[in-house]
Amino acid sequence: GAVVSQHPSRVICKSGTSVKIECRSLDFQATTMFWYRQFPKQSLMLMATSNEGSKATYEQGVEKDKFLINHASLTLSTLTVTSAHPEDSSFYICSARRGRDYGYTFGSGTRLTVV
Amino acid sequence: GQNIDQPTEMTATEGAIVQINCTYQTSGFNGLFWYQQHAGEAPTFLSYNVLDGLEEKGRFSSFLSRSKGYSYLLLKELQMKDSASYLCAVRVKGQNFVFGPGTRLSVLP
Repeated sequence: GAVVSQHPSRVICKSGTSVKIECRSLDFQATTMFWYRQFPKQSLMLMATSNEGSKATYEQGVEKDKFLINHASLTLSTLTVTSAHPEDSSFYICSARRGRDYGYTFGSGTRLTVV
Repeated sequence: GQNIDQPTEMTATEGAIVQINCTYQTSGFNGLFWYQQHAGEAPTFLSYNVLDGLEEKGRFSSFLSRSKGYSYLLLKELQMKDSASYLCAVRVKGQNFVFGPGTRLSVLP
């Protein structure tokens, strides 16, 4: 149990376009999901906390108008990278927890390359 | 501020035991987690400590000392597939995590 599906796994887009990444909890409801970014050979950096039915909470330094987060249901959160630039190329990972007594499960990640 | 330190790289031999240390100074503490991450993949959960002491889970054990801001992950009977990065993460408040830089472990035959 506690499976988190993330799609797409890889995406290449042109500079200036937008990309949407989906994160789904397949067998549980997640009121909160987390979005991380990981640059090569670096650790995960929390970008934002996505709350179902309300606005996301962004970490300092993360542009909320550039990284749009929507958590419209208890099983789906989306991250849209708007007007992507090459420096946005990174590994984006979502995470969710089934409940207080469960560990956190990560999605499989999305490798974004902006050319 | 938040600071988590781990060794950058470690090397060990197949069948041996290795201990990966993690020290942290964070504003708030609500549990320490260890994750394994293979190159190009998402992290997978290994262990969770919120109270002082040792948590054992098969070949993996994790220890926590809150007063010292210290944890370690112990891997026994190392296998080649254990070659990966190991991330120490502290949940600082609510459900927010701070991740350490990760330790790249290479297991040699």
